[in-house]
Amino acid sequence: GIQVEQSPPDLILQEGANSTLRCNFSDSVNNLQWFHQNPWGQLINLFYIPSGTKQNGRLSATTVATERYSLLYISSSQTTDSGVYFCAVRDDKIIFGKGTRLHILP
Amino acid sequence: ETGVTQSPTHLIKTRGQQVTLRCSSQSGHNTVSWYQQALGQGPQFIFQYYREEENGRGNFPPRFSGLQFPNYSSELNVNALELDDSALYLCASSGQRGGATINEQFFGPGTRLTVL
Repeated sequence: GIQVEQSPPDLILQEGANSTLRCNFSDSVNNLQWFHQNPWGQLINLFYIPSGTKQNGRLSATTVATERYSLLYISSSQTTDSGVYFCAVRDDKIIFGKGTRLHILP
Repeated sequence: ETGVTQSPTHLIKTRGQQVTLRCSSQSGHNTVSWYQQALGQGPQFIFQYYREEENGRGNFPPRFSGLQFPNYSSELNVNALELDDSALYLCASSGQRGGATINEQFFGPGTRLTVL
């Protein structure tokens, strides 16, 4: 089955900094989503992005399907951005990466 | 708010018992998927239901079973609970076309199950 790898596993940044989270996948996929999991466990949809680039406020994402990776950019980080960021891809089932744990310091 | 609801929010059971978790999908969505998320891990796919039939399953034993109802809500049943079943259980709803999930998934808030 498809392997999904996220990097870095952990990231600690000062408020205001920018960050790039990466998601690599081992084979062609039908779709790709980025999620933010808050401290209560809720998975919040950030982007549905099987290919191309999307932006939503301080967040943007790019998926290069032919090279099997996706990037999530967070600019001007805020403490509320803290949490775990997951990418998930679909083969015959949805497969999640292990996540990037982001901690933004005030 | 995703429009996906789950109940209960928390549950404590003892080893060997059975549990039923419930999920109501977002309006207009006909597919429900269930995931198990152990502490510190990413969600693991359990199975998916479309039009009341299971149409995809992950690496979980048969004691994990499910149902989908005509209104597209769903249940996850786990028999003979084990300590390792302690986890956050998430359901997600999405649309379907031609039997393939093509739309993005929207998740409920989860049910946190503790097995003692």
